[in-house]
Amino acid sequence: EIVMTQSPATLSVSPGERATLSCRASQSVDSNLAWYQQKPGQAPRLLIYGASTRATGIPARFSGSGSGTEFTLTISSLQSEDFAVYYCQQYNNWPPWTFGQGTKVEIK
Amino acid sequence: QITLKESGPTVVKPTQTLTLTCTFSGFSLSTSGVSVGWIRQPPGQAPEWVALIYWNDDKRYSPSLRNRLTITKDTSKNQVVLSVTRMETWDTATYYCVHGTTTVVTLFDYWGHGTLVTVSS
Repeated sequence: EIVMTQSPATLSVSPGERATLSCRASQSVDSNLAWYQQKPGQAPRLLIYGASTRATGIPARFSGSGSGTEFTLTISSLQSEDFAVYYCQQYNNWPPWTFGQGTKVEIK
Repeated sequence: QITLKESGPTVVKPTQTLTLTCTFSGFSLSTSGVSVGWIRQPPGQAPEWVALIYWNDDKRYSPSLRNRLTITKDTSKNQVVLSVTRMETWDTATYYCVHGTTTVVTLFDYWGHGTLVTVSS
């Protein structure tokens, strides 16, 4: 089973600032890495797939990078609606499909 | 427009069997490359993949839950059913139905709103 590790657990950022979230896989997942955003009381929403491709309707301020075992999600200028929990998930080796433990982006 | 909706009991007792139904629209589970699965999320924790069924009736189960799970589909009704036997308190979670798109790999691209299942006597 591939273990996904996210850092930091919590990120405090002021609106308008850049946020950088990290995700590491215990073995290579090529570019088969997705990022999801989850707000309280809601289901996760797909943001990024293929490590760097934005899903339909996702604003350009969200970008993903990386391949192999190291990945980054960048939010270039945080908006109020971006404060949420972000999960990375690998879909290269399955079953099982596995998620990281999440990074909470909170208002500084 | 793809939508998925979960239905089933909100409370089950320990040792009972949980049966959840996913009713979907906007796609057909008989189309090549389509799958429907279940992902659960205990309160305050990360999501955990549970099971998946493909358009060709191939099935995949979480290794840690495999001997307790059954997933089936009814293509004519646009439904997928998940059964989990021997429910225990640690199975308390929000259970999400998800749409998967399969090329060489399977990406979960649409999620239902989820249904909270509490295991309690």
